Amino acid sequence: QKEVEQDPGPLSVPEGAIVSLNCTYSNSAFQYFMWYRQYSRKGPELLMYTYSSGNKEDGRFTAQVDKSSKYISLFIRDSQPSDSATYLCAMKGNRDDKIIFGKGTRLHILP
Amino acid sequence: EADIYQTPRYLVIGTGKKITLECSQTMGHDKMYWYQQDPGMELHLIHYSYGVNSTEKGDLSSESTVSRIRTEHFPLTLESARPSHTSQYLCASSDSHRNEKLFFGSGTQLSVL
Repeated sequence: QKEVEQDPGPLSVPEGAIVSLNCTYSNSAFQYFMWYRQYSRKGPELLMYTYSSGNKEDGRFTAQVDKSSKYISLFIRDSQPSDSATYLCAMKGNRDDKIIFGKGTRLHILP
Repeated sequence: EADIYQTPRYLVIGTGKKITLECSQTMGHDKMYWYQQDPGMELHLIHYSYGVNSTEKGDLSSESTVSRIRTEHFPLTLESARPSHTSQYLCASSDSHRNEKLFFGSGTQLSVL
């Protein structure tokens, strides 16, 4: 079993919809949870970061961590065509551990 | 916008050639990384460095080598390229105190014929 599982998609939704992206993981030692966004022909960029369990909101984006279920989510409200990208979940245990990435989910927002 | 640069963006080269992929950052970050990314696959760490004269191999075995002679520069070298080396190579850096935030370059797409 891979440490981090993420459905690669593609996921196509109409503009304005709420998008839900998810990852599951197997390592209960993970404490740091990140979402990176990667546009075509670009490197990933950090979108959201959460330490331990709970929710974090930043504008139209909400990150949720459920450590009891080993499940993390990213919600995008009022989705825009500019949100079309690949979203990679990432996580690590201790502060100095290396980051483990999911495969990424390709998201298309249809105008 | 991240101040980390990779050259070249695209490289098509024949088997057996020696290549060097360049990566430079102007943020003064101690930590630098090389990842390999194939379509539909996870980012795999192949090399990292926590400072000048410090280099380590990552989780994915790679025939490439790296050097870190200056803080801002972290080149990756393949002595003899093969078709199996065809991939996207991403360089990244991070601040020592916030290494969950990686700053990535735009990548080098390498094709070995």
